[in-house]
Amino acid sequence: EVQLVESGGGLVQPGGSLRLSCAVFGFTSSDHYMDWVRQAPGKGLEWVGRTRNKANKFIIDYAASVKGRFTISRDDSKNSVSLQMNRLEIDDTALYYCASPRVGAYTFWGHGTLVTVSS
Amino acid sequence: DLQLTQSPSFLSASVGDRVTITCRASQGLSDYLSWYQQKPGEAPRLLIYTASTLQTGVPSRFSGSTSGTEFTLAISSLQPEDFATYYCLRLDTYPTITFGQGTRLEIK
Repeated sequence: EVQLVESGGGLVQPGGSLRLSCAVFGFTSSDHYMDWVRQAPGKGLEWVGRTRNKANKFIIDYAASVKGRFTISRDDSKNSVSLQMNRLEIDDTALYYCASPRVGAYTFWGHGTLVTVSS
Repeated sequence: DLQLTQSPSFLSASVGDRVTITCRASQGLSDYLSWYQQKPGEAPRLLIYTASTLQTGVPSRFSGSTSGTEFTLAISSLQPEDFATYYCLRLDTYPTITFGQGTRLEIK
């Protein structure tokens, strides 16, 4: 059974850092694209970034709103993906989901981990 | 960058009604359009992919169609469990990916 399990969320002050992880069960993460999607409280879904698969050289793309502050990485030994978030802003407050696409759609989602940026 | 315009943003309907939600792409012809259902406190759930393919386990009252750059999600006979928020998404756009704004479907 496929499962994506996010962890690492919490409360952080503006300007601070946080590292989220997504543990992958049921498939080899390096064989697939792995994305991060977030949802601010009461708002819609926003794509954060993605790491492509091994066949596509693990190329990473970011949304303009996080580029230069967030970094996506893989740990194939743990079958996981991470999202390092630096210089956090109030507007980064959201539930962060890990998702993996198949056939052009997010077939698999985690349950999300909540990040709250507040002083 | 691609823009996805989803409408309506809010929809009020009754059990048994047929409803449609539309997503219009600002550019490009592609079938890599998917639809998701999200209930409060839950992760989004994939309903339709490649514009019209029903995800395994999704009831057949859900359907997707396309006409040019306009994509439609239809629910043929609303059930109580269908009241939720719906999003469209195109995943084949680079370097950024955009969701529709969402449609909140509520019981009349």
